[in-house]
Amino acid sequence: RKEVEQDPGPFNVPEGATVAFNCTYSNSASQSFFWYRQDCRKEPKLLMSVYSSGNEDGRFTAQLNRASQYISLLIRDSKLSDSATYLCVVNKKDSSYKLIFGSGTRLLVRP
Amino acid sequence: DTAVSQTPKYLVTQMGNDKSIKCEQNLGHDTMYWYKQDSKKFLKIMFSYNNKELIINETVPNRFSPKSPDKAHLNLHINSLELGDSAVYFCASSLGTKNTGELFFGEGSRLTVL
Repeated sequence: RKEVEQDPGPFNVPEGATVAFNCTYSNSASQSFFWYRQDCRKEPKLLMSVYSSGNEDGRFTAQLNRASQYISLLIRDSKLSDSATYLCVVNKKDSSYKLIFGSGTRLLVRP
Repeated sequence: DTAVSQTPKYLVTQMGNDKSIKCEQNLGHDTMYWYKQDSKKFLKIMFSYNNKELIINETVPNRFSPKSPDKAHLNLHINSLELGDSAVYFCASSLGTKNTGELFFGEGSRLTVL
């Protein structure tokens, strides 16, 4: 089983739609959680951290369910510029701290 | 004023050659990383250095050798290149070792082995 699993998509939605991505992780010892965004042929960039109580940043809402070991990202009022791949990222510690990246969910927002 | 810069951006070479990718960060971060992103888009950590000391060394063939001359630089040398080494290699840096904050990535170096 992969350490971090995501539906690869693509999710093809019209502008203004609300879209949600889920991600599951296998290691219950994971400590911190993030969503990164990667545009085509670009580097990943941090979108937001994910806190246990859930957190919101403008149109983006992230939630964490530790019991079920999943993380979600909700995007409201999608814009064309939201088209990208969204990477679920989990921090775990074994011999040292490591960020484990999911393979990403691709979002296409159409006019 | 690029924060994490890596060179070259593109590298096309023959199997069996040796090549290097250089990375520099001007953020004053203590920790630097090499990640590999293959054709399936998985981003996997290869190495991490904290203040020039190797702290993460994943199961990577020993043809890959990182070198950190100082905490602002982390280079990657690859010997005897193989077809499977074709990928995008990202350098990244972070403030500390606990990865509780943000990773800053370079733009990537796209390696194609023919």
